[in-house]
Amino acid sequence: DAGVIQSPRHEVTEMGQEVTLRCKPISGHNSLFWYRQTMMRGLELLIYFNNNVPIDDSGMPEDRFSAKMPNASFSTLKIQPSEPRDSAVYFCASGRPGGRQETQYFGPGTRLLVL
Amino acid sequence: EDQVTQSPEALRLQEGESSSLNCSYTVSGLRGLFWYRQDPGKGPEFLFTLYSAGEEKEKERLKATLTKKESFLHITAPKPEDSATYLCAVQPFRFSGNTGKLIFGQGTTLQVKP
Repeated sequence: DAGVIQSPRHEVTEMGQEVTLRCKPISGHNSLFWYRQTMMRGLELLIYFNNNVPIDDSGMPEDRFSAKMPNASFSTLKIQPSEPRDSAVYFCASGRPGGRQETQYFGPGTRLLVL
Repeated sequence: EDQVTQSPEALRLQEGESSSLNCSYTVSGLRGLFWYRQDPGKGPEFLFTLYSAGEEKEKERLKATLTKKESFLHITAPKPEDSATYLCAVQPFRFSGNTGKLIFGQGTTLQVKP
């Protein structure tokens, strides 16, 4: 199994530019999560999809952030316009259904630097 | 407010020196408590899930335990390859339905010297 795949692995952009992060979850997983990790705030959940439907987006910081999941094997997180304070590592995780609890498996992350 | 606090922030051990990491949590209801390991430049790697007080899980040199207010990750005779950041997370119980939300602690960075 290839695990969760994220692209790009690194992104450097200028303030005001649009940034799109991509994620391919593990095949057969029906839940997908986007997280952001910074030194100051740690790992924070941004949005959660179940069966391609957004369930909880309470962690999305503001309207500049949007996420989509058009099918079971692909999701995007878009920031438009980007700001320096968006610099962080963004992780995608997918969840394995069944059992008492759903375990989340993380991708390698996208390191975003907004200048 | 749901909250997770890990201690210590950093821990240095000599190879073979056993110790424990602490995860204290405040949550209205607990669906599960998770331990992850994160190596520099990588995503968190799942280790354990604990569901109820008194439960224990083991994997190689690691053992996780759970009480009603905290969890411990015991590391027995650690090796340099155990050096990593260990993250604890809780999933709160919600009568309105499971959102899948995990609340993470800030992590404990462990360094094991040979």
